[in-house]
Amino acid sequence: AQKITQTQPGMFVQEKEAVTLDCTYDTSDQSYGLFWYKQPSSGEMIFLIYQGSYDEQNATEGRYSLNFQKARKSANLVISASQLGDSAMYFCAMREFHTGFQKLVFGTGTRLLVSP
Amino acid sequence: DGGITQSPKYLFRKEGQNVTLSCEQNLNHDAMYWYRQDPGQGLRLIYYSQIVNDFQKGDIAEGYSVSREKKESFPLTVTSAQKNPTAFYLCASSMGSGGRTDTQYFGPGTRLTVL
Repeated sequence: AQKITQTQPGMFVQEKEAVTLDCTYDTSDQSYGLFWYKQPSSGEMIFLIYQGSYDEQNATEGRYSLNFQKARKSANLVISASQLGDSAMYFCAMREFHTGFQKLVFGTGTRLLVSP
Repeated sequence: DGGITQSPKYLFRKEGQNVTLSCEQNLNHDAMYWYRQDPGQGLRLIYYSQIVNDFQKGDIAEGYSVSREKKESFPLTVTSAQKNPTAFYLCASSMGSGGRTDTQYFGPGTRLTVL
C-alpha cells in the first residue's frame, strides 16, 4: 500500500534563507507521481510542484524545487529565499498510475514558520 | 476566472441532521473529489467521480453520500450516520485524463462543526 511520511511536524526558517521539507514514500509500483501542496491558514490547498518517477531531472517551479532521490524513495521540497508568505502547512502526496484513477495519498504535513 | 468554489465556508449542524456541502467548478474538469481533513492529519478521500452520473467510494465513505448530475457540480451530503462529522472538507477537481501530470486543484474548503 502507498504511504507518505513527513517526519518534521514543524520547521523554522529566517526570511531569505533556504529550507528543505522532508518527504519519504513507500510504493511497490514503478510508475508514480509525487506532489507538493501548500495550505495557508485560510485552508485552501495550493499545488506547488510535481515530480514523475521516470523524470530524469528534478522538478523546479520558481523558488520551489524537488530533490528527488528515487533509490532512497525521498522527494524533499526545497524552498529558496524564504518569504514571510511561505508560512503555511506543506503536504507531500503520491499517486500511483496503475490504478487508472487519480487517487492521492497524503502525508501528515509539515508546518513552516518564516521569521523576519 | 476559473476555479473551484465551495459553500458555505462555515457550517454548523445539530446532531441527527443531514447537511449538504456545495462544490462547483468552472475548469471544465471531468473528475471531482471530496476529502476530509482532521487536525494533525493529511487529507483522506471520501468520494470521487470521474464522469457525470458516476461516482465511487473512497477510503472513508461511510456516513456520506454524493451526486454528480452536472459536470460542474459535486455536492456532498453528510448524513446523521456519520459518527464524527466535525472536520474540514475539501473539494478538488482534475482533468481526469489519466495522464501522469494530471493535477488535482482544490477549493477553499468548508469547516463543519457539529453542535
